[in-house]
Amino acid sequence: DGGITQSPKYLFRKEGQNVTLSCEQNLNHDAMYWYRQDPGQGLRLIYYSQIVNDFQKGDIAEGYSVSREKKESFPLTVTSAQKNPTAFYLCASSIRSGWNEQFFGPGTRLTVL
Amino acid sequence: SQQGEEDPQALSIQEGENATMNCSYKTSINNLQWYRQNSGRGLVHLILIRSNEREKHSGRLRVTLDTSKKSSSLLITASRAADTASYFCATDDIAQGGSEKLVFGKGTKLTVNP
Repeated sequence: DGGITQSPKYLFRKEGQNVTLSCEQNLNHDAMYWYRQDPGQGLRLIYYSQIVNDFQKGDIAEGYSVSREKKESFPLTVTSAQKNPTAFYLCASSIRSGWNEQFFGPGTRLTVL
Repeated sequence: SQQGEEDPQALSIQEGENATMNCSYKTSINNLQWYRQNSGRGLVHLILIRSNEREKHSGRLRVTLDTSKKSSSLLITASRAADTASYFCATDDIAQGGSEKLVFGKGTKLTVNP
């Protein structure tokens, strides 16, 4: 059963704490992406990775960090520097960079108390 | 920066009616895609139309693209309650280096009443 998994589905953290969101895919896709979605809004790109051990900043990278040590994994860390971290976070992948169809995970809803 | 902008922001129709959503964008594109999102879930890819195509069909979906007007429309025919979702258009952005990333609009929230 191929796809993208994100865990956990809901996450609560205290203000000032770093938190890491998991994203795993078994589709053998080269490219992976992290988006943030706020209520009633579209998706904004945080970071993306075209290949293992490489990643680039998206439109709203400040306060976030990523790693891409394995092809199937692209974890996102929301740091204490992110001023308004409460949001719905979506991970996606595509066969390769420039192959436009993206496959999305179910999302993680992060609430910072 | 937001590339696609959907219109209307919200649409409510009766089951069996057709639903039309529009998307406008600002710069040149290679292709345009439509995605669907059920509440609290991830996005699902519906259809991709390339810049040299004018119309594309998939089941009850019909997408048109007018590159001269920088606009696209998504038509869902014979709508069902299960079509209730938000619909997003997404474009690549040639100005920002091509097809590496997609830029999404804010979406149209469709409600189909039984």
